[in-house]
Amino acid sequence: AQKITQTQPGMFVQEKEAVTLDCTYDTSDPSYGLFWYKQPSSGEMIFLIYQGSYDQQNATEGRYSLNFQKARKSANLVISASQLGDSAMYFCAMREGGASGTYKYIFGTGTRLKVLA
Amino acid sequence: DVKVTQSSRYLVKRTGEKVFLECVQDMDHENMFWYRQDPGLGLRLIYFSYDVKMKEKGDIPEGYSVSREKKERFSLILESASTNQTSMYLCASSPTTGNKETQYFGPGTRLLVL
Repeated sequence: AQKITQTQPGMFVQEKEAVTLDCTYDTSDPSYGLFWYKQPSSGEMIFLIYQGSYDQQNATEGRYSLNFQKARKSANLVISASQLGDSAMYFCAMREGGASGTYKYIFGTGTRLKVLA
Repeated sequence: DVKVTQSSRYLVKRTGEKVFLECVQDMDHENMFWYRQDPGLGLRLIYFSYDVKMKEKGDIPEGYSVSREKKERFSLILESASTNQTSMYLCASSPTTGNKETQYFGPGTRLLVL
């Protein structure tokens, strides 16, 4: 079963508007972390934002915010005031803790965002 | 700045060849990972290692092996390359401590197997 689900393979947004990229997750581990990464056409993976399972407040990093709804197991990324440089592939990922401090990261299939001028 | 480097950005190999992909990180991270990325499938974990000489299978280990003889270096080995192993390979590292610690990725290796 998919542990991380990104249902939007592609999205368009007008420059300067806000956009929400969806992510739902599935885990029985009470301690987990949720991450969003951006991958431009160059291929590098850029870390954007992190949300811990015990964090009470939604994470924010500049124009990025994470809409964390724990009961619904969703961790949507909101990008405000979209810029042309935001056009990229976006991945949602979950880190599950393991014994002896080992961690495993599970990725969704990604959402390709295109910002229109 | 954390740096993760991969030995090649682009690689072309023939079916049946043995292929080595090298990854080096300079932040003394305990954990290292190998993923392959294919369109529509996202990143899939091949193998990971949480200590020197330790390794664990990820979701798609078949056809691959790994080696971690030193903490900073994690190698992915394709014993006999096949065309279905044509893909983008990404290496990553992360520390064990710190809940907020993300993975740090290398630039990726685009492998074409002919």
